[in-house]
Amino acid sequence: ILNVEQSPQSLHVQEGDSTNFTCSFPSSNFYALHWYRWETAKSPEALFVMTLNGDEKKKGRISATLNTKEGYSYLYIKGSQPEDSATYLCASLSGSARQLTFGSGTQLTVLP
Amino acid sequence: EAQVTQNPRYLITVTGKKLTVTCSQNMNHEYMSWYRQDPGLGLRQIYYSMNVEVTDKGDVPEGYKVSRKEKRNFPLILESPSPNQTSLYFCASSFTSGGEQYFGPGTRLTVT
Repeated sequence: ILNVEQSPQSLHVQEGDSTNFTCSFPSSNFYALHWYRWETAKSPEALFVMTLNGDEKKKGRISATLNTKEGYSYLYIKGSQPEDSATYLCASLSGSARQLTFGSGTQLTVLP
Repeated sequence: EAQVTQNPRYLITVTGKKLTVTCSQNMNHEYMSWYRQDPGLGLRQIYYSMNVEVTDKGDVPEGYKVSRKEKRNFPLILESPSPNQTSLYFCASSFTSGGEQYFGPGTRLTVT
């Protein structure tokens, strides 16, 4: 089992603040890095799939970067809104590119 | 509507009584997988399937079986459920193993 670590485990921010979280993963045999957003009582939904070192992706106020050489990815949320409250999961695919390993997530609460 | 469906959504059963959780997708995805989610542990992969008749163990396969006789269906079988299999289960599918995962609504299983 390869270790995918996310930090912080939980985070409270005020509405309007910008924030970011970290996902670290083993850099050897890297294939892809996924980010998912998981709202309470719903299913995880994909935000980004990233494969190239230096890749940057953006969806509205949310963006992500990828460093495959050092094995980390950052997720940024600009101007957080209460509806951004969710658990954000990252997952790494490596080696034979068959098995996706998830981190335990960062739980974000945006206070109005 | 493109979707992944799971049934049942909720199930309470007793130790040793065989059960099957069905999973079906209508997106012609080749890759399907099962995860369990437990507090503090994130999503852990139970089994995955790269295509019809091709299945492989994930990180926590003990006590579970799967089959992939048709592309759209990937049932999860618990031959003799035990209390430590009480969990929230998600089925997911994607075009390829590296592609974004589409998750089903989840099945909350309680084994007494």
